[in-house]
Amino acid sequence: RKEVEQDPGPFNVPEGATVAFNCTYSNSASQSFFWYRQDCRKEPKLLMSVYSSGNEDGRFTAQLNRASQYISLLIRDSKLSDSATYLCVVNKKDSSYKLIFGSGTRLLVRP
Amino acid sequence: DVKVTQSSRYLVKRTGEKVFLECVQDMDHENMFWYRQDPGLGLRLIYFSYDVKMKEKGDIPEGYSVSREKKERFSLILESASTNQTSMYLCASSETARNEKLFFGSGTQLSVL
Repeated sequence: RKEVEQDPGPFNVPEGATVAFNCTYSNSASQSFFWYRQDCRKEPKLLMSVYSSGNEDGRFTAQLNRASQYISLLIRDSKLSDSATYLCVVNKKDSSYKLIFGSGTRLLVRP
Repeated sequence: DVKVTQSSRYLVKRTGEKVFLECVQDMDHENMFWYRQDPGLGLRLIYFSYDVKMKEKGDIPEGYSVSREKKERFSLILESASTNQTSMYLCASSETARNEKLFFGSGTQLSVL
């Protein structure tokens, strides 16, 4: 079983739609959580951190449920430019901190 | 802006060749990482380094080695390339020990024939 699991999609939505992605993680000792965005043939970039209290950045809202070990990302009022792959990332501490990446959820926003 | 530069965007090598992938960062970050990314598998950590001359194995180190002689440079070495090492290789750096924000290079697509 993968440590971080995501629905690969693609999610195909019209402009203006609201779309939500979920991600589950298996290691209850995971310390911190993130969403990264990866455009086609580009490198991943940090989109936002995810806090237990939930956090919002413009049209993006991230939430963490530690009891159920899942993380969500909500995108409101989707734009064409939101089309990308969204990577769920968990920071785990063994002897040092390591980021564990999910394989990503692909979003396609159509006109 | 932090810049992480990988020496090649595309590379084609033959089975058995020794391959060097170079990565340089310009923000004086302590921590550097090598990942490979394959469809359906996501990014997997190969090796990382928290200091000059220091290295630690990631989740899939077999068939790879690394070198960090200078703080800004982290090299990934494939001692004898094999076809199952065909992949996108991504280098990254971070400024904090908790590695909460990684800055990635643009990647090297390696094909081993």
